[in-house]
Amino acid sequence: GDSVTQMEGPVTLSEEAFLTINCTYTATGYPSLFWYVQYPGEGLQLLLKATKADDKGSNKGFEATYRKETTSFHLEKGSVQVSDSAVYFCASFTGGGNKLTFGTGTQLKVEL
Amino acid sequence: SQTIHQWPATLVQPVGSPLSLECTVEGTSNPNLYWYRQAAGRGLQLLFYSVGIGQISSEVPQNLSASRPQDRQFILSSKKLLLSDSGFYLCAWSAPGTRRVTQYFGPGTRLTVL
Repeated sequence: GDSVTQMEGPVTLSEEAFLTINCTYTATGYPSLFWYVQYPGEGLQLLLKATKADDKGSNKGFEATYRKETTSFHLEKGSVQVSDSAVYFCASFTGGGNKLTFGTGTQLKVEL
Repeated sequence: SQTIHQWPATLVQPVGSPLSLECTVEGTSNPNLYWYRQAAGRGLQLLFYSVGIGQISSEVPQNLSASRPQDRQFILSSKKLLLSDSGFYLCAWSAPGTRRVTQYFGPGTRLTVL
């Protein structure tokens, strides 16, 4: 079945540092890929998405490129802020069963 | 625009008591609806999804059940709660059909079973 693997956290960075959170997927066919963000005590918010190979999703300074050759969708941001502290989830969707497959989440802590 | 509501926001219940969590969506018709559970420090587990009134698919055998009595209402229930039912319960919706796959999440209900 489909699966999504994310790097283990927590990831601790200083403000203005460069961020990379790795995500790889296994799926039959060509999934749509997503990054969601969860702030403490809240639900998940869609951060960005990409629906086909080489697409780049971007939002709020975050970017991720759909790489079919490496089955990856790594999340990047050039300069993180304290307000980016949250848990980030990578997810894939291949249509079967109308359901998303989530990674286990990566906690990001940004310090001054 | 579409909005999704969940209540209650927090709930503390004794073991063996019943449960009813409610989710409603506004601004769309015939949405796909989902219930997820997030245990402390872990990822999301899909519990149930529904593509229409009275149509419920269960993903894992458990102590919970779901119902969809109205088009935009999704209810998660239990007759007798277990300690292991504690967690953060999230409802989500997506546009009808399978072409629009993005899911949008509600604010969640934090359930503590004592």
